[in-house]
Amino acid sequence: DAGITQSPRYKITETGRQVTLMCHQTWSHSYMFWYRQDLGHGLRLIYYSAAADITDKGEVPDGYVVSRSKTENFPLTLESATRSQTSVYFCASSERPDLYGYTFGSGTRLTVV
Amino acid sequence: AQSVTQLGSHVSVSEGALVLLRCNYSSSVPPYLFWYVQYPNQGLQLLLKYTTGATLVKGINGFEAEFKKSETSFHLTKPSAHMSDAAEYFCAVSIRDDKIIFGKGTRLHILP
Repeated sequence: DAGITQSPRYKITETGRQVTLMCHQTWSHSYMFWYRQDLGHGLRLIYYSAAADITDKGEVPDGYVVSRSKTENFPLTLESATRSQTSVYFCASSERPDLYGYTFGSGTRLTVV
Repeated sequence: AQSVTQLGSHVSVSEGALVLLRCNYSSSVPPYLFWYVQYPNQGLQLLLKYTTGATLVKGINGFEAEFKKSETSFHLTKPSAHMSDAAEYFCAVSIRDDKIIFGKGTRLHILP
């Protein structure tokens, strides 16, 4: 199916564990983004990528790692999960963010216990 | 640096009444502007955007927004609210960059 898909939809993990959130898009968009959404903070950019093998930090990158070996995939890894990383995570993609805006995935709700 | 301010984190309107969600931006160059909507447990969807040309922009579900350069505003309106409009709305700005800056969002409540 065409679109942008995130998996898993829901995830509960323990403090200190590594967890990877997946993002896959079928349009071959150049740009991909990871945001976290928290009450009172709105959307905060974690990492973004302008093309395969090119990634850059956003506003809140600490504790997260990304990679982009293929254009269509942009996984987000929490190396050692903390309770403060409990959040809803959104992936987005775009060919021209300034002109077209983003297309968002449905999100992953992550709970760290 | 560009920024976006949405006035009011919560707005309540009666069904059938005018919806007005306020957005002001700060940008040193002419911006591109967006409104997104987020329904519960879903991702954000693009409602409408302004890039160039006509300053009154029409979007989906009967929403529209007007770019007013003199007021640095991009307020979102809908003439008659429907229960299905209850959602969170985000204003966003881009200055021909590779990122979009989002406001903190306004939750719209529709009263029966």
